[in-house]
Amino acid sequence: DTEVTQTPKHLVMGMTNKKSLKCEQHMGHRAMYWYKQKAKKPPELMFVYSYEKLSINESVPSRFSPECPNSSLLNLHLHALQPEDSALYLCASSQASGANTGELFFGEGSRLTVL
Amino acid sequence: AQRVTQPEKLLSVFKGAPVELKCNYSYSGSPELFWYVQYSRQRLQLLLRHISRESIKGFTADLNKGETSFHLKKPFAQEEDSAMYYCALSRGSQGNLIFGKGTKLSVKP
Repeated sequence: DTEVTQTPKHLVMGMTNKKSLKCEQHMGHRAMYWYKQKAKKPPELMFVYSYEKLSINESVPSRFSPECPNSSLLNLHLHALQPEDSALYLCASSQASGANTGELFFGEGSRLTVL
Repeated sequence: AQRVTQPEKLLSVFKGAPVELKCNYSYSGSPELFWYVQYSRQRLQLLLRHISRESIKGFTADLNKGETSFHLKKPFAQEEDSAMYYCALSRGSQGNLIFGKGTKLSVKP
């Protein structure tokens, strides 16, 4: 299995809602990532988990809360979001060490709309 | 400052013509560079990286440290090459990538 699976594919939420995005991979990768992609823009890194520990937080607002329950799963908990947070949220995974750490495997993304 | 620049938003060529997608970077250390591609309705995927020096789908890219460039080239474009291409720079370890703004390649029949 060489895929990264993200659910849901689409999510619409109000500014007072709490929701979660989920990501799963079974490639044995020990690094997992959340990227945010606005329309017609490149992906921007939000968080990196390495061996289930948060290693990079790119100054993301606290209304986004990542969680890595085990080596195969990555969640992004959403609370009190703003309309400008509407975007495509991409999960990715890679090897955590060695020569292939830059080879990211991306999911198809969760398209989030905040009303 | 760490930066990846792709000067062309859109590149349109005819089938069989050579294609070159430009990428310039700014990085103080030893750069690790990649090209990622996103075909229509597909996920973003790695096309090639400078370390491996391999050719994928006929594409090659050479790291030129003097010109701080990593241009992507293919001698004869095919219609199936039409996609969005992103140049990316690794900031140190792991997949901490900075992406350029992307170039949309359109190959016409």
